[in-house]
Amino acid sequence: GAGVSQTPSNKVTEKGKYVELRCDPISGHTALYWYRQSLGQGPEFLIYFQGTGAADDSGLPNDRFFAVRPEGSVSTLKIQRTERGDSAVYLCASSLNGQGNTEAFFGQGTRLTVV
Amino acid sequence: QQQVKQSPQSLIVQKGGISIINCAYENTAFDYFPWYQQFPGKGPALLIAIRPDVSEKKEGRFTISFNKSAKQFSLHIMDSQPGDSATYFCAASSLGGSARQLTFGSGTQLTVLP
Repeated sequence: GAGVSQTPSNKVTEKGKYVELRCDPISGHTALYWYRQSLGQGPEFLIYFQGTGAADDSGLPNDRFFAVRPEGSVSTLKIQRTERGDSAVYLCASSLNGQGNTEAFFGQGTRLTVV
Repeated sequence: QQQVKQSPQSLIVQKGGISIINCAYENTAFDYFPWYQQFPGKGPALLIAIRPDVSEKKEGRFTISFNKSAKQFSLHIMDSQPGDSATYFCAASSLGGSARQLTFGSGTQLTVLP
């Protein structure tokens, strides 16, 4: 596709359940980022992939959060034992590479609500 | 730790007026300062960006002013239009390690009255 695609757009889950959020980056972009945006706040960095490997996962809040990008394209953010505090919009971004002047393009986000 | 502080939280401007949003940063390693525009239900979109080797950058009605010594930068929107009504985020990043993740400000909700 022309832009970064995220699915689903909205996800409502019960506390304690497992969820997967998908990101389809722009074709050819090697760098992929996940951010979390709470209501009324700016996005906060979670994890960065360069190709298939997680080059920086310092933003993941705890071990309930995990992300993969097995073929260097599509990425999945996985959240175990969800908590109400996990409710937020999860944004994915991709860029041509992770360096220099390359612009990061964001998807529309997945709004996760934990009830 | 909030490394990029943004103000004001909200701003109301008349059509044709100038909108000014300010940001201050703490990390002197930051070397890239973009501004993003976000509409409801959409992801942030890059508006304009500046590097610290210049003090000002202008693209159409949008201008970034950068003060390296004060560690501050601002976005000026000239001739503001109702279509500019959105949330604006300043951000900063440094080319540290292998990643260029962005640190965002808390956002400014701009409303331009017709």
